[in-house]
Amino acid sequence: QQQVKQSPQSLIVQKGGISIINCAYENTAFDYFPWYQQFPGKGPALLIAIRPDVSEKKEGRFTISFNKSAKQFSLHIMDSQPGDSATYFCAARGSGNTGKLIFGQGTTLQVKP
Amino acid sequence: KAGVTQTPRYLIKTRGQQVTLSCSPISGHRSVSWYQQTPGQGLQFLFEYFSETQRNKGNFPGRFSGRQFSNSRSEMNVSTLELGDSALYLCASSQQGNQETQYFGPGTRLLVL
Repeated sequence: QQQVKQSPQSLIVQKGGISIINCAYENTAFDYFPWYQQFPGKGPALLIAIRPDVSEKKEGRFTISFNKSAKQFSLHIMDSQPGDSATYFCAARGSGNTGKLIFGQGTTLQVKP
Repeated sequence: KAGVTQTPRYLIKTRGQQVTLSCSPISGHRSVSWYQQTPGQGLQFLFEYFSETQRNKGNFPGRFSGRQFSNSRSEMNVSTLELGDSALYLCASSQQGNQETQYFGPGTRLLVL
């Protein structure tokens, strides 16, 4: 129940295309869902986050779509750029007084010029 | 504000030794969480400290321990190192730890020989 399943493991997209990464969870106590971007040699950096009372959140080229009934959420990267090439992690955190994040396994995105 | 800093950045140890890693959170942040990142297991939560108290703990053996000082700086210790402890150890800080952005440091890469 503590797992977050992420797919695909790797993704290759042409420049200008749309990158889509999916995550699914089981624990309905999760109520905060961030996406992190990690470049080689760096720590993860928060990209965008959503709470389950919202079905979609958009920040620039990045959009999270959230389906509470299906317990799924996804990251869409519009107009993908070579600079977006990185590893992306979805995560979930339970309600209450906790900083504990449960991460998906990660998706390595390569955007070809 | 300066970001999360971790020292040392790289470390090589041999089996059976112990190691101490340090994390300085962003000024004003009181919550520090530690994660282990490996290619096989991904990002796994170790523990979280808030106001010098361990607030959450992941599923790691007792060889992994930590503490937090009054200035919010945190250390984690791994005793009796095993080859499988080779990983990138990341710490993340946030103001309160719950429902807020966690900012990650660059990590300490530990190699156990």
